[in-house]
Amino acid sequence: NAGVTQTPKFQVLKTGQSMTLQCAQDMNHEYMSWYRQDPGMGLRLIHYSVGAGITDQGEVPNGYNVSRSTTEDFPLRLLSAAPSQTSVYFCASSPRLAGDGNIQYFGAGTRLSVL
Amino acid sequence: KQEVTQIPAALSVPEGENLVLNCSFTDSAIYNLQWFRQDPGKGLTSLLLIQSSQREQTSGRLNASLDKSSGRSTLYIAASQPGDSATYLCAVGDSNYQLIWGAGTKLIIKP
Repeated sequence: NAGVTQTPKFQVLKTGQSMTLQCAQDMNHEYMSWYRQDPGMGLRLIHYSVGAGITDQGEVPNGYNVSRSTTEDFPLRLLSAAPSQTSVYFCASSPRLAGDGNIQYFGAGTRLSVL
Repeated sequence: KQEVTQIPAALSVPEGENLVLNCSFTDSAIYNLQWFRQDPGKGLTSLLLIQSSQREQTSGRLNASLDKSSGRSTLYIAASQPGDSATYLCAVGDSNYQLIWGAGTKLIIKP
C-alpha cells in the first residue's frame, strides 16, 4: 500500500504565482485534511473533507482552495502565493473525522518557499 | 479555545534512560488524545491513541497516560534508544472532532 502520497516534495514560488499541491490516498478513507506546519507551532488545519464533494474550512483557510471530486484525491490550491504561505504542508487521511478517535495517516509533506 | 502545550521544546538524554514527555491542554472537554512521532523530512506516524474514558495506553516501550481533570498527558519511553530520536507531538480531539496540536518536543538520544 502506498498510503498517502504528496507531490511535489519541494517547491519554490514567486509572490503572486499559483500552484496546486497534490494529495492521493489508496485506503478508501472518507476523511482527508490539509495542515500547515510552521516552526515553533503545532499543525494548523487549513481545509478538510468528509467525503467526495464535501469540503469545509479549518483554522487557517484564507488564500487556499480545495475540492474533492473523488475519494482518492484532495488537491490544495494556492491562489496567489504570499511569503506568509512559506511552510511545510501535510496531507492526511483517516476512515472518519480525525478528532473522533480515528488514526490519521500522513503524507511525507511538501516544503514550500514563497519568495 | 483549546490550546495544547508541550514542554520542553527539546530534550537530550543518554541512551538507556527512561524519559517522560509532557503535553498539557487548557480545556478538559476532549474526546481523545493522540501521540505522534515525526522524523525529519517525513510525515507523522501515530503512536498511541487514548480515548477520553481511558487513563493510559501502552505499545511496546511506550506508555501514554491521560488525566483530563488536570489537563495533562505524559508519554513515557522506557530504555531509550538512538532510534527514538525524533520530534514527538500530541494532539487532542476537540468538540468539532478535529485535532488541536502541540508544537512538539524534539528528542535526541545520545549513544
